[in-house]
Amino acid sequence: NAGVMQNPRHLVRRRGQEARLRCSPMKGHSHVYWYRQLPEEGLKFMVYLQKENIIDESGMPKERFSAEFPKEGPSILRIQQVVRGDSAAYFCASSPQALTEAFFGQGTRLTVV
Amino acid sequence: GESVGLHLPTLSVQEGDNSIINCAYSNSASDYFIWYKQESGKGPQFIIDIRSNMDKRQGQRVTVLLNKTVKHLSLQIAATQPGDSAVYFCAESLNDMRFGAGTRLTVKP
Repeated sequence: NAGVMQNPRHLVRRRGQEARLRCSPMKGHSHVYWYRQLPEEGLKFMVYLQKENIIDESGMPKERFSAEFPKEGPSILRIQQVVRGDSAAYFCASSPQALTEAFFGQGTRLTVV
Repeated sequence: GESVGLHLPTLSVQEGDNSIINCAYSNSASDYFIWYKQESGKGPQFIIDIRSNMDKRQGQRVTVLLNKTVKHLSLQIAATQPGDSAVYFCAESLNDMRFGAGTRLTVKP
């Protein structure tokens, strides 16, 4: 059983471009969480999704950021018109249900130049 | 609650000693708590979890203690080894999963 897969591992975007981060959960997992992390800092919650539903997006900026977890395919975190301040590591985690162990991917390191 | 914009506190221990890492959580209604270990350049890795109806749970070399009265979690690592050097995060879960401030553990040989 493959772990949580995130791609790309590293992503470089120029200011104003769009960034698409993908997260394939573990098989059988229908819950996905996205986090942002700056160097030497903690994991900041962004959004919690179940298949086809956004459960909690209170940690995600209202503008430029969106997330989805379609019935088929990976979860996508999209950042439009990226700015330098979006540079960070973005991690996703998946779990089979709420209130159970969540497994993390290796993250996508976004650099905006 | 979430700790954003704060640099990590550090704990330095001698190899073979026991380590205790503490964490305060914010939501008294949280029902499930997890400790994660994060090594440099990697994603967080599950260590141990505990539900709110328990106050102690033991794993291999690790013990988690939960004090709901003061909303406090601790992670105890017995006979700390160099491979335990990492950043440790606690997380609380009710509907989603929120992380507390991490602690960087450094093990001196």
